[in-house]
Amino acid sequence: GQQLNQSPQSMFIQEGEDVSMNCTSSSIFNTWLWYKQDPGEGPVLLIALYKAGELTSNGRLTAQFGITRKDSFLNISASIPSDVGIYFCAGSLGGSEKLVFGKGTKLTVNP
Amino acid sequence: ETGVTQTPRHLVMGMTNKKSLKCEQHLGHNAMYWYKQSAKKPLELMFVYNFKEQTENNSVPSRFSPECPNSSHLFLHLHTLQPEDSALYLCASSQLGTSGQETQYFGPGTRLLVL
Repeated sequence: GQQLNQSPQSMFIQEGEDVSMNCTSSSIFNTWLWYKQDPGEGPVLLIALYKAGELTSNGRLTAQFGITRKDSFLNISASIPSDVGIYFCAGSLGGSEKLVFGKGTKLTVNP
Repeated sequence: ETGVTQTPRHLVMGMTNKKSLKCEQHLGHNAMYWYKQSAKKPLELMFVYNFKEQTENNSVPSRFSPECPNSSHLFLHLHTLQPEDSALYLCASSQLGTSGQETQYFGPGTRLLVL
């Protein structure tokens, strides 16, 4: 089945630094989603991407749908302590096709 | 965020118990999902309901029994579980259509511990 490779697995950064993480797939997707999950909570949708090449921002977060439709990245600028959590990418062909999730990137921000 | 709610938030049960997890979505969506999240594993899709019809069962053991009485409510009935079933169980909903722009919204999850 389809698999997503999400990297890095974990990141330790200082407050104020920028962060970049990405996902790559062995096959194409029509939808890329980025979620953040806090401990003991469900994933919260951050950004949804529906078109190859699309670049979308949500506050300090920016995500791009790769032009090949096989990858996506998420950038966080000027990180703050509340950015701590696990970030998941997810891809889908759309319609009734199920979402495929990456294993997550655990972000730690040191004040 | 109260789009998708789940109860209870925490549950401890013995292997001989019977319990149910409840999910309710207030987003007007037509599809609902159950996922299992274990430590250091990707999210595992368990069941999918589309317009109240079960469209996917990802080889889930029969000790997990889903029920979808209407498009807003989803249950997961649990009986004779095993300790390895301890995990965070997440419910999600989405609006399936022809646009291909399907986005799933998650509930807060039920943390289940089987003793």
